[in-house]
Amino acid sequence: AQSVTQLGSHVSVSEGALVLLRCNYSSSVPPYLFWYVQYPNQGLQLLLKYTTGATLVKGINGFEAEFKKSETSFHLTKPSAHMSDAAEYFCAVSDRDYKLSFGAGTTVTVRA
Amino acid sequence: GAVVSQHPSWVICKSGTSVKIECRSLDFQATTMFWYRQFPKQSLMLMATSNEGSKATYEQGVEKDKFLINHASLTLSTLTVTSAHPEDSSFYICSARDSGRLGYEQYFGPGTRLTVT
Repeated sequence: AQSVTQLGSHVSVSEGALVLLRCNYSSSVPPYLFWYVQYPNQGLQLLLKYTTGATLVKGINGFEAEFKKSETSFHLTKPSAHMSDAAEYFCAVSDRDYKLSFGAGTTVTVRA
Repeated sequence: GAVVSQHPSWVICKSGTSVKIECRSLDFQATTMFWYRQFPKQSLMLMATSNEGSKATYEQGVEKDKFLINHASLTLSTLTVTSAHPEDSSFYICSARDSGRLGYEQYFGPGTRLTVT
């Protein structure tokens, strides 16, 4: 069974500062990992994904994440936060049945 | 590309009535769709996997007689909440896999806000 732990339910950053969202997973098989963003009252938008190959994955809106197997982590970063980055972020892991297991989510607020 | 729509975007119904939510893949075919439920300030919980032409697979604890799922075509899955009660009020989100692509990515609809009074 797969599971995801997101450390920190709420992250507050200043505009222009580094955004770091932590995600650790457990999986009995090589994982497929995803980061999604959700704006209020909307569905989820894919930021980036890791399946195979390069462990540093670049996504949309300047986000990137690094898959570290030894640490079972898939942390999400963005060098410089923008006000539009304020949202809910979910890390997810997929099993071989295509089901996604989501973390609890991290709310990002950006201070002007 | 890879757009998923849901209808309605929000619905209010009276306790005891049924409500149907549609999930459509607009520009791809989806043999597999998923239905999630999300309570305020919480994560998404998978309710069921909808398979075109066959019965849905429900997650443990989800009442299949209450949440009826029909995946009658490669672009449409419906979720019917039967005999709705106030505790069924929630945000329901569907997602779909593109049958023409390899990979595990799911494309999400915008969600449906259900309020049962």
